[in-house]
Amino acid sequence: EVQLVESGGGLVQPGGSLRLSCVASGFTFGGYGMNWVRQAPGKGLEWLSYIDSTTTTKNYADSVKGRFTISRDNAKNSLYLQMDSLRDDDTAMYYCATQGFDPWGQGTLVTVSS
Amino acid sequence: EIVLTQSPATLSLSPGERATLSCRASQSVSSSLAWYQQKPGQAPRLLIYDASNRATGIPARFSGSGSGTDFTLTISSLEAEDFAVYYCQQRSNWPLTFGGGTKVEIK
Repeated sequence: EVQLVESGGGLVQPGGSLRLSCVASGFTFGGYGMNWVRQAPGKGLEWLSYIDSTTTTKNYADSVKGRFTISRDNAKNSLYLQMDSLRDDDTAMYYCATQGFDPWGQGTLVTVSS
Repeated sequence: EIVLTQSPATLSLSPGERATLSCRASQSVSSSLAWYQQKPGQAPRLLIYDASNRATGIPARFSGSGSGTDFTLTISSLEAEDFAVYYCQQRSNWPLTFGGGTKVEIK
């Protein structure tokens, strides 16, 4: 069974940093691109970032470009999202998803507040 | 950036009825469109990819159609577990974008 498990969320002050992790199992992680998507409380879905299987290609939404960095460690079956210069409007549930967005992890909640 | 507009925002129907959800793109996305279902407190689930292909394990009552700028998700006969929020997503151009969602609620 394909499974994605996010971690690393929590409460952080504006201007702070956080690193999210997503551990994959049940498939050949190193053969697939991966995505991060977020959802603010009561709002819709926002795609954030994509990384291909070899880390050659990385794409970002304008809202996080220059502040967030996607990376991966294929040896550890892990995907990461380094989030810097966090703002109040970054408060959301953060999901990782496979290249085909099937499946998604259960999400990790990030709250940015002073 | 490609903007996806979903309509209606809310659809009030009874179990057994047919649901028709619309997604319109601001420019052509060819057939690179997907549909997701999200229930409260859960992650989204892929229903349809490439406009009309059902994802693994998705019941046949869900179908997708369209190409270019106009797409439709149809649920042929609503069951109790289908009442949820549905999102479309274009995968044609970066950045990938989602529509604002359609809530299908019990009438």
